[in-house]
Amino acid sequence: GAGVSQSPSNKVTEKGKDVELRCDPISGHTALYWYRQSLGQGLEFLIYFQGNSAPDKSGLPSDRFSAERTGGSVSTLTIQRTQQEDSAVYLCASSLEWSEAFFGQGTRLTVV
Amino acid sequence: AQSVAQPEDQVNVAEGNPLTVKCTYSVSGNPYLFWYVQYPNRGLQFLLKYITGDNLVKGSYGFEAEFNKSQTSFHLKKPSALVSDSALYFCAVRDAMGFQKLVFGTGTRLLVSP
Repeated sequence: GAGVSQSPSNKVTEKGKDVELRCDPISGHTALYWYRQSLGQGLEFLIYFQGNSAPDKSGLPSDRFSAERTGGSVSTLTIQRTQQEDSAVYLCASSLEWSEAFFGQGTRLTVV
Repeated sequence: AQSVAQPEDQVNVAEGNPLTVKCTYSVSGNPYLFWYVQYPNRGLQFLLKYITGDNLVKGSYGFEAEFNKSQTSFHLKKPSALVSDSALYFCAVRDAMGFQKLVFGTGTRLLVSP
């Protein structure tokens, strides 16, 4: 596709429910990132996939968070038993190995 | 591990004046450095990068940045600010050693007054 696509664009969920956020990276990009951004704040690194290497999960805030990347392309970020503090914009980005990352428009998650 | 610091939460400048947004970094190997901009309710847009070569790199919308290895800095600059430049700016670094993640600074809000 022309850019990084994320779905859904908005998600409202009840506390305690599980959610899945999807990211379609730019075709051919080997690296894929997930970040989290609270309102008007900085980017919090969550997880990084690079080719066939083991992902860098060092930014995942708890074991309720997990992510996978299937076939080196699409990625899904799963949050189990959502909490109100999980409310944020979740951003996905992809890049060629050493190049700049391109970001999707994000998924705004609201936990009520 | 790599890290990046943006020491100013906000920078205020009058339209037409030059602007500088500061960034310093720390990496084990050589740095790959990037600047991004985020307009209100928009995604992050890539502005410019330093990989190798000339220390002064030029990017989108008239922005430029100077790589200074001795000071481990990569400050963003523009000779003449526009009100439309008001946005949130992020510096990012990746260590060239190994397949390292892209790490972002905390962001600097630029406010250009008419």
